[in-house]
Amino acid sequence: EAQVTQNPRYLITVTGKKLTVTCSQNMNHEYMSWYRQDPGLGLRQIYYSMNVEVTDKGDVPEGYKVSRKEKRNFPLILESPSPNQTSLYFCASRRSKSYNEQFFGPGTRLTVL
Amino acid sequence: AQTVTQSQPEMSVQEAETVTLSCTYDTSENNYYLFWYKQPPSRQMILVIRQEAYKQQNATENRFSVNFQKAAKSFSLKISDSQLGDTAMYFCAFIKGGSNYKLTFGKGTLLTVNP
Repeated sequence: EAQVTQNPRYLITVTGKKLTVTCSQNMNHEYMSWYRQDPGLGLRQIYYSMNVEVTDKGDVPEGYKVSRKEKRNFPLILESPSPNQTSLYFCASRRSKSYNEQFFGPGTRLTVL
Repeated sequence: AQTVTQSQPEMSVQEAETVTLSCTYDTSENNYYLFWYKQPPSRQMILVIRQEAYKQQNATENRFSVNFQKAAKSFSLKISDSQLGDTAMYFCAFIKGGSNYKLTFGKGTLLTVNP
């Protein structure tokens, strides 16, 4: 089954404790991205990757890092989480140069205390 | 920069009736695509309908249709014969042709279908 998976689905952590949210897709998509969703703000792009070893900042990259060492994986790293990073996070993928459907993961609910 | 505006934070409709969700966008691009995504309580993002800007014909998917007014930069979603399962947050989204392929989302409209 074609899908984007994220882990963990739920996470409660404390300020300053490094964490990684994993994202993996099995569709051989070149393009992957991370979004955060906050009430009243919709979804905003954090980082995106056009292909392996090619990443760039989205609209709200502060406090986040990403890496793309393999085509299928695109982890989101919070080196020193803060309460304002409490949010719902989505990973998404699509074929490169495609304007068709972008496939979303199930979301990760992160709470930073 | 592109912006997408959904002016209705919340709407409600009676089961079996028709409802229209509004969306406007701002862009100087001529080549772009527009989407409506549905997010039910499960939080999964589900593509409802897609419209290419170069196509004049409005997209239709079963009970869902759009009214695409390119000159007015308007992209509304009409849901006919509303069902309880249509209760969800609906997001309008825009993507321009180019190297980024970033989806720009509106802030969403929470639709409640009442029995």
